[in-house]
Order: sequence, then C-alpha cells, then structure tokens
Amino acid sequence: DSGVTQTPKHLITATGQRVTLRCSPRSGDLSVYWYQQSLDQGLQFLIQYYNGEERAKGNILERFSAQQFPDLHSELNLSSLELGDSALYFCASTSSSGTDTQYFGPGTRLTVL
Amino acid sequence: AQSVAQPEDQVNVAEGNPLTVKCTYSVSGNPYLFWYVQYPNRGLQFLLKYITGDNLVKGSYGFEAEFNKSQTSFHLKKPSALVSDSALYFCAVRGSYSGAGSYQLTFGKGTKLSVIP
Repeated sequence: DSGVTQTPKHLITATGQRVTLRCSPRSGDLSVYWYQQSLDQGLQFLIQYYNGEERAKGNILERFSAQQFPDLHSELNLSSLELGDSALYFCASTSSSGTDTQYFGPGTRLTVL
Repeated sequence: AQSVAQPEDQVNVAEGNPLTVKCTYSVSGNPYLFWYVQYPNRGLQFLLKYITGDNLVKGSYGFEAEFNKSQTSFHLKKPSALVSDSALYFCAVRGSYSGAGSYQLTFGKGTKLSVIP
C-alpha cells in the first residue's frame, strides 16, 4: 500500500458526460501528479499540483482540468467524454524534494461507452 | 526533452534463471532513473531509483539495476526469477526539476515479464 488513495476504483459512463476522479496524497506530501495509462499511448503525464498551485502541464486535453484543495486532495475533471478517454488514471504524490520518489495510487479505471 | 526506450515488449524467463529487463534513456543533465512494476489490475509499485553514486542500485523484492552512463542504460536485473515476478515493468526518467518537488516522469512503454515455472 503506497498510502495514496483514489476513488472511485471503476467508473463507467457514456460519451458526452462529465466525471470527477479523486486522489488523496500520502500524509505530508504536497505534490500531486496525474497520469493517464492507455493501451495506445502508454503512461502519460497530465498535470501536477504543488500545495494548491498548478506547477506543470503535460499532454492534458482542454476538456480535462484539475485542482488541488487546501486539504491537499486533488480532483481530475474530465468532460465531454469520448470513447478514446477510456483509460486508467493514476495519481502520484511526493513531498518537496526533487529526489523524492513518486508513489502511485491504485488508479481509477474509466470506461466510456 | 527526455525519453526512455524499453526495446523488448515481452521477456520470457524460466523460474530460477537470472532475468534482465532493458532500458535506455535520453536526458540532458544528470539522469534520475526509476523502475516501477505493475501487477494486473493494480497501480504502479516503486522498485528502485538511481540518483547518484554506485552504479549498481538495489531495490525491493531482490531486484537491482545497473546504471551505465556511457551506454545510457539502466537495466533491471534479478539473479533468480520467481513466478510471482511476472508483471509489467516500467522504466522512467525524471524530467527537468522546477523546484519544490516538481518534476515529471517520462515512462517507457513497459516490458511484460513472464516467468515460466
């Protein structure tokens, strides 16, 4: 158990809908990272927050957004969903050092029908 | 920009034999390298990392990795494979550091390891 929690574990929805994925980092960790894992694209970095502020953006679509709240949990919002958005979404957390390891949560499997 | 290559989609090894999962990287500056393992329907679990120092890094579950700067490689190894080692293995390199723990990981496409009883 990495100490990073994600809910829900599975999510099934229809095209055009909007969903919210939630991540709670390890106790004391200030940074949260979101990754998408799909069969064709592999593991891709989406976005990172540090202590409530956006710090880095990767291959995140404009239909996707995220935020980190004062209690440090983070939410990834996916809207106008398409079939191609079906994937595993992971979050990871680190504390404050560039040598820290990113510890990953168990992921949310999103299926868009 | 940094990149990672895992040249083998799949590696098969007999139980008890040594295993190697290959990884090469490209990054400007000093490389920070990681190995993660993913079991079916599970998240990524950290195995080991290279930051600096000894070229042989020891990690969890008996795994180790050899850093070779001249060959820009970071191969994962284990002296004696177990059936329970069968999983998907990812090599990753840290991108540029922007302070306060902010960095991206760039992952390879993964190598499926099958250990045959």
